[in-house]
Amino acid sequence: QVQLQESGPGLVKPSETLSLTCTVSGGSISSDYWNWIRQSPGKGLEWIGYLYYSGSTNYNPSLKSRVTISLDSSKKHFSLKVRSVTAADTAVYYCARSRAPYGMDVWGQGTTVTVSS
Amino acid sequence: DIQMTQSPSSLSASVGDRVTITCRASQSIASYLNWYQQKPGKAPKLLISAASRLQSGVPSRFSGSGSGTDVALTISSLQPEDFATYYCQQTYSVPYTFGQGTKLEIK
Repeated sequence: QVQLQESGPGLVKPSETLSLTCTVSGGSISSDYWNWIRQSPGKGLEWIGYLYYSGSTNYNPSLKSRVTISLDSSKKHFSLKVRSVTAADTAVYYCARSRAPYGMDVWGQGTTVTVSS
Repeated sequence: DIQMTQSPSSLSASVGDRVTITCRASQSIASYLNWYQQKPGKAPKLLISAASRLQSGVPSRFSGSGSGTDVALTISSLQPEDFATYYCQQTYSVPYTFGQGTKLEIK
C-alpha cells in the first residue's frame, strides 16, 4: 500500500525558500491528487495546494504567489517550494494523497519547519 | 473561501457515551465533507469521506450525516482510543478548508 514520507530542512531563514520533498513508496504518482497541508498552532490545518498526477496544480490563493508544487520525472517524488518565508510559515508540513472529491486518505508523518534566523 | 465552523471546540465525555460533533459551512458544500481524527504528534487520519462514507478499517461506531451546510460526526459509544481532536474539511471547492477542530477529552 502507498506510504508517504516528507523530507527537507527543519530550519529555514526568513526571506529564503522552504523546500520539501514527499517520497511515495508502495506505488507511484500515476493517478489521484497529491497534496501539501500545513498545521500551525495559530492557524490550524491549512491546505496549501495539490498536484494532479498529470502535472496540473491548484493552490490556495492565500499562498499562490509564493508556492510551487512540482512532480519529479520518476513519479516517485513531488515537491513543495515556498518562497520568501516568514515566521508565519513555521508549521508542521504534511503531504497527503486524495481521490477527489473525497478526502485525504494517505498522509505522511509530517515534518516540522521552523523559520528563524 | 468556504468557512467551516465546528462545535463544540472542546468536549468532555466518558467511555461509553454517545457524542456528536457538528460542522457548519458558510455555503452549501453538498456532501463534499470529510472527517479526520488526529492524535498528538500524529498526522490526521481520514475517518469519513463524502459526509457519510466510512473509510475501510474505521470502526462502525463512527458515522457521518448531513449535507448542504450542516453535517455531523457521531461516535455511538466512546472508546478510550477515541479521545483525540476531530476536524471537518470541505472538498467542494478550492481552497479546501478545515474546521478549527474539536478536542474530545476524557471526563
